[in-house]
Amino acid sequence: GQQLNQSPQSMFIQEGEDVSMNCTSSSIFNTWLWYKQEPGEGPVLLIALYKAGELTSNGRLTAQFGITRKDSFLNISASIPSDVGIYFCAGQDTNAGKSTFGDGTTLTVKP
Amino acid sequence: GAGVSQSPSNKVTEKGKDVELRCDPISGHTALYWYRQSLGQGLEFLIYFQGNSAPDKSGLPSDRFSAERTGGSVSTLTIQRTQQEDSAVYLCASSRTPGSNQPQHFGDGTRLSIL
Repeated sequence: GQQLNQSPQSMFIQEGEDVSMNCTSSSIFNTWLWYKQEPGEGPVLLIALYKAGELTSNGRLTAQFGITRKDSFLNISASIPSDVGIYFCAGQDTNAGKSTFGDGTTLTVKP
Repeated sequence: GAGVSQSPSNKVTEKGKDVELRCDPISGHTALYWYRQSLGQGLEFLIYFQGNSAPDKSGLPSDRFSAERTGGSVSTLTIQRTQQEDSAVYLCASSRTPGSNQPQHFGDGTRLSIL
């Protein structure tokens, strides 16, 4: 089946630093999604990418859909303490209902 | 409410008992998904519904797991004869349609603990 490799597994950074995380897949996806999950809550959608090569921003967050359609990255600029959480990438096929999720990147921001 | 609602938020039960988990999707969303998240892990797909039918049940771990959806709205995930390895957070999501241009929106999950 499809698998996503998400890295890094965890990050410990200082407030104000930039962060980068990425996902790679063994197969092609038509949509890439990035979610953030905080303790006791479900994942919340941050950015959705629908075209290969697409670069999309949402405030301090920027994500790109790789040209090969097998990878995506998420950047967070000027991190703040409330950025703490687990970030998941997910890939979706055109006709398959399910999303395939990476194992997450746990982000810790030190004030 | 405006979001996906799941109940109960927490469930503790003894091994061997049956449990039912409920999901109320966002109004108007025809697609509904169940995922399982073990501690420190990503999300594992279980099943998805388009309307009341389930085109993809491939993620259900065993025949102890079943799900149904009625009226194109509420869904129930049932686990029979629970085992300790069933302990996890069960997340429900919905989307307007199952297509790849429709992101899934998640509830806060049911945390299931099997003693």
